[in-house]
Formats: sequence, C-alpha cells, structure tokens
Amino acid sequence: NAGVTQTPKFQVLKTGQSMTLQCAQDMNHEYMSWYRQDPGMGLRLIHYSVGAGITDQGEVPNGYNVSRSTTEDFPLRLLSAAPSQTSVYFCASSYLGQGEVNLHFGNGTRLTVT
Amino acid sequence: AQSVTQLGSHVSVSEGALVLLRCNYSSSVPPYLFWYVQYPNQGLQLLLKYTTGATLVKGINGFEAEFKKSETSFHLTKPSAHMSDAAEYFCAVSGSGGSNYKLTFGKGTLLTVNP
Repeated sequence: NAGVTQTPKFQVLKTGQSMTLQCAQDMNHEYMSWYRQDPGMGLRLIHYSVGAGITDQGEVPNGYNVSRSTTEDFPLRLLSAAPSQTSVYFCASSYLGQGEVNLHFGNGTRLTVT
Repeated sequence: AQSVTQLGSHVSVSEGALVLLRCNYSSSVPPYLFWYVQYPNQGLQLLLKYTTGATLVKGINGFEAEFKKSETSFHLTKPSAHMSDAAEYFCAVSGSGGSNYKLTFGKGTLLTVNP
C-alpha cells in the first residue's frame, strides 16, 4: 500500500519555467489537496479537490493550477515559476465522511526557483 | 475564518521530562482539532484528533491532548519525553460547516529532546 506518492522529490527551476508536480494516491480518497510549507509559516493550502472534475482555490492559489481527471491523481502546475514559489510542496488526501477527516501526506517535493 | 496559534516556535525538554505543546484556536463552530508530527525530510503524520465525544484524546506514541472549549485550547502532552520524540509538531483546525476537510495549520513547534 503506497499511500500518497509525490514526484519528483527535488526540482530546480529557472524563473519563468513551467513544471508539473505529480501526486497520486491509492486509497480511493475523495479529497485531495496541495499545501506549501515555508519556514515559520506552517502549511498553507494552495488548491483542493473533493472529487474528480471538482477543484477549488485555497488560501494561496496565485501562480498555480490544478486539475482532477481521476480519483487517484491531482497534479499541481506552475505555469511561470517565480522565486517566491521556492518552497516544499505537500500533497495530502482524505476520506470525506463525517468524522473521517484525516489527511494522509506524501513526502513532499522540494522546489527551488532561481 | 478558522485560525490556529501555537505558543512557542521551539520547545526544549530533557529526556524523561513532561512535554507540553500549546495550541489555541479560533472557530465559529465546534471544530475538529488535530495534532500532526513531522520528522526531518518527511511528510506529516497524524498523532491524534478530536471530533466529538470525550474531550481527552489519546494518540500514538504516548501523546494525548485535551479539548477545552472554554479556553479554546487543544494542548498536546506526553508524560515522559523520549529522544525519538524530537520533531516538529503542528496543530490544525478543520473548516466550518460542510468544509471540515479543509485544515488550517499552525506555524509549528520544534521539539528538541536533550539527553
């Protein structure tokens, strides 16, 4: 049982480049989300999805796009990377039932934008 | 909007001493509350959560937390620290209404355990 898998683990981009961070889960979770973690800031929600074909913005969505074509996958796209997007990115998923909320996290993607 | 305040960005204890990590929250409705732990270069793992019912919640690795509505607090405790408890700890509160899956996290408390 792999849980939540994120690729790549590390990435270096130049300003203006684009890339996609991959996230896949094998637990049949309805809910998937992306957070970014910055020193002293905790985790901040970027985008989330409650099911295939449904996405919405979190606290810090600017500069990021998402889509959810399947239950398993929830990629995060950076269209034009900026140094302010240097961060560690975490994908997390959960069931949605009442009282069942428990985010399962991937191991993160460490992104540096120069 | 929900918010979480973790008092103390860094807590240092001796091995065998009491661990107390403080968390206060604000929420317009009865919340779900969570504590997560993050070891270096890993994702977050759930330690424990409060949804409804008993206000004293027991989690993994000997940790527990008590939901105190009157104080809007959810402090994390462990009677005796172990070296393996050294990690960063995050308190989180759920969203309100139908969006209880959207968690808002505190800024984290780094726990150091001294031999």
